[in-house]
Amino acid sequence: DIQMTQSPSTLSASVGDRVTITCRASHAVSTRLAWYQKKPGEAPRLLIYKASTLESGVPLRFSGSGSGTEFTLTISSLQPDDFATYYCQQYNSHSAYTFGQGTKLEI
Amino acid sequence: QVQLQESGPGLVKPSETLSLTCSVSGGSVSSNGYYWTWIRQPPGKGLEWIGQIYYSGSTTYNPSLKSRVIMSVDTSKNSFSLKLSSVTAADSAVYYCARNRDNYNGMDVWGQGTTVIVSS
Repeated sequence: DIQMTQSPSTLSASVGDRVTITCRASHAVSTRLAWYQKKPGEAPRLLIYKASTLESGVPLRFSGSGSGTEFTLTISSLQPDDFATYYCQQYNSHSAYTFGQGTKLEI
Repeated sequence: QVQLQESGPGLVKPSETLSLTCSVSGGSVSSNGYYWTWIRQPPGKGLEWIGQIYYSGSTTYNPSLKSRVIMSVDTSKNSFSLKLSSVTAADSAVYYCARNRDNYNGMDVWGQGTTVIVSS
């Protein structure tokens, strides 16, 4: 099975900061990686797919990069609405989809 | 736009079968290019992909749950379903249904989630 490891697990930041979350895959997944935002009591929201493609309606301050085994999600200037937990998710043909353990972004 | 809504019992007894249905509105479960997916989140934990089904009935399941999962699609009711057998307390979670776009284009539409507790 492919394991996804996110770092850090918790990130403290302030409004206006630039933050980066890293996701590492135990085996190469090409660009078959997505990022989701999750707030308590709400469904996850797709932010990025295919490692770097911004989902329609998602603010331009979100960006994704990477391929193979290392990926990043960057928020260029944190807004109050961005404080949430972020999950990466990979796809492979054997074990299908796997999520990272999540990164909680807190004030 | 497409909306998803989960339904089913909120309480299931240990060793019994959890059954949930996801109703699709504003679109068709028979549309090409979408996989209909179940994900769960146990209390205080992360997201876990359970599996997905295409309108043709083709399924892919999480290997760790495969022996206990059955998914089905009902095109006449525009819905899809999840059955998870032999449940234990570890299966207590918020269960989400979602639409997964083809070609690794992400899960773009989600239901609001439904809480299932496994307890006697």
